[in-house]
Amino acid sequence: NAGVTQTPKFQVLKTGQSMTLQCAQDMNHNSMYWYRQDPGMGLRLIYYSASEGTTDKGEVPNGYNVSRLNKREFSLRLESAAPSQTSVYFCASSERGYNEQFFGPGTRLTVL
Amino acid sequence: AQSVSQHNHHVILSEAASLELGCNYSYGGTVNLFWYVQYPGQHLQLLLKYFSGDPLVKGIKGFEAEFIKSKFSFNLRKPSVQWSDTAEYFCAVILYGNNRLAFGKGNQVVVIP
Repeated sequence: NAGVTQTPKFQVLKTGQSMTLQCAQDMNHNSMYWYRQDPGMGLRLIYYSASEGTTDKGEVPNGYNVSRLNKREFSLRLESAAPSQTSVYFCASSERGYNEQFFGPGTRLTVL
Repeated sequence: AQSVSQHNHHVILSEAASLELGCNYSYGGTVNLFWYVQYPGQHLQLLLKYFSGDPLVKGIKGFEAEFIKSKFSFNLRKPSVQWSDTAEYFCAVILYGNNRLAFGKGNQVVVIP
């Protein structure tokens, strides 16, 4: 089992460009999450999907959109990137919302 | 607002010293509690978790944590640290039925050989 995979690992964008971060899990988990990690801020929840077909805003959703494509895949889209979105993005999944979450390796995004 | 507090953001220790990291949360209901570790350049990994039962929980790599409900705390301990324990440690709390895991801001631990 690969667990949670994310692509790409690194990305540099110019302000205003768009991109989609991909996440997939092979553990048959129901819930999936997107976080951003900034120094001294811990992990902050951007969006989550409690189950296939549902998505909900987290703590910092502005400037992002998500798609739960199927049970395995949960993508995060930046429509018009801003320097404030420079961060490390982690995808995670859990069997159910109150279980432990398993994290992917992260995407380091720089917006110039 | 719900929150998770971790104190002493930066901790520097010598090998064989004992480590204790504090975690306090502000939720009033039933909670599930977690400690995650992030080694340099890696993703988060689960160290241990508490759902119910014995409030003293043992995790991987010699770590343990104690849930004290009356103090809303879930402190992490290790009696004797090693250089390889250099990492960032995150406490996380989920209110049962909420689906949203809240993280503390982390403790950066550096162990000097």
